[in-house]
Amino acid sequence: EVQLVESGGGWVQPGRALRLSCAASGFSFGDFAMHWVRQSPGKGLEWVSGISWNSDDIGYADSVKGRFTISRDNAKNSLYLQMNSLRAEDTAFYYCARDIASWYFDNRGYFGDWGQGTLVTVSS
Amino acid sequence: DIQMTQSPSSLSASVGDRVAITCRASQMISDYLNWYQQKPGKAPNLLIHGASNLQSGVPSRFSGSGSGTDFTLTISSLQPEDFATYYCQQGYSTPRTFGQGTNVEIK
Repeated sequence: EVQLVESGGGWVQPGRALRLSCAASGFSFGDFAMHWVRQSPGKGLEWVSGISWNSDDIGYADSVKGRFTISRDNAKNSLYLQMNSLRAEDTAFYYCARDIASWYFDNRGYFGDWGQGTLVTVSS
Repeated sequence: DIQMTQSPSSLSASVGDRVAITCRASQMISDYLNWYQQKPGKAPNLLIHGASNLQSGVPSRFSGSGSGTDFTLTISSLQPEDFATYYCQQGYSTPRTFGQGTNVEIK
């Protein structure tokens, strides 16, 4: 059974940093692209960032480019999101999602499995 | 970025009703269109990929159709567990973008 478990969310002041983690199990983590998708409370879904199986290719939404950094450790079956210079508009549930493809930009890909999400609240 | 527009934004329906949700892309995306269901307090769940391919384990009352710019998710006979929010998402190009969601409520 595929399991994705996010951690690291919490309350943080504007301008500060936070690092999210996603622990994966039940599949060959190193074979698949991974993504972060967020959802502001009561709002829709927004793709944040994606990373290919070997970390060679990475992409970001314009809203987080230059502030967030995605990474992965295939030996630890883990995905990360380093979030710097946080803003109030970054407040959201952050979901880790497994792609069915190996490359994050593969148009045949889709978000086949999701974690339960971790809430990030940015407020003074 | 490719904009995805769903209609309606919300609908009220009864158990047993046939329900259709449409999704329009701002440019041609072939059949790189996926549908997700989300229930309150839960993560989204994949229903349909590649416009019309039913994800394993998803009931056959769900179906998807369309190609190019216009797509439809159909629920043939609405069940109590189907009351949820539905999202379309394009995989044609990055950034991957979602529709704004369609909330299916009980009439």
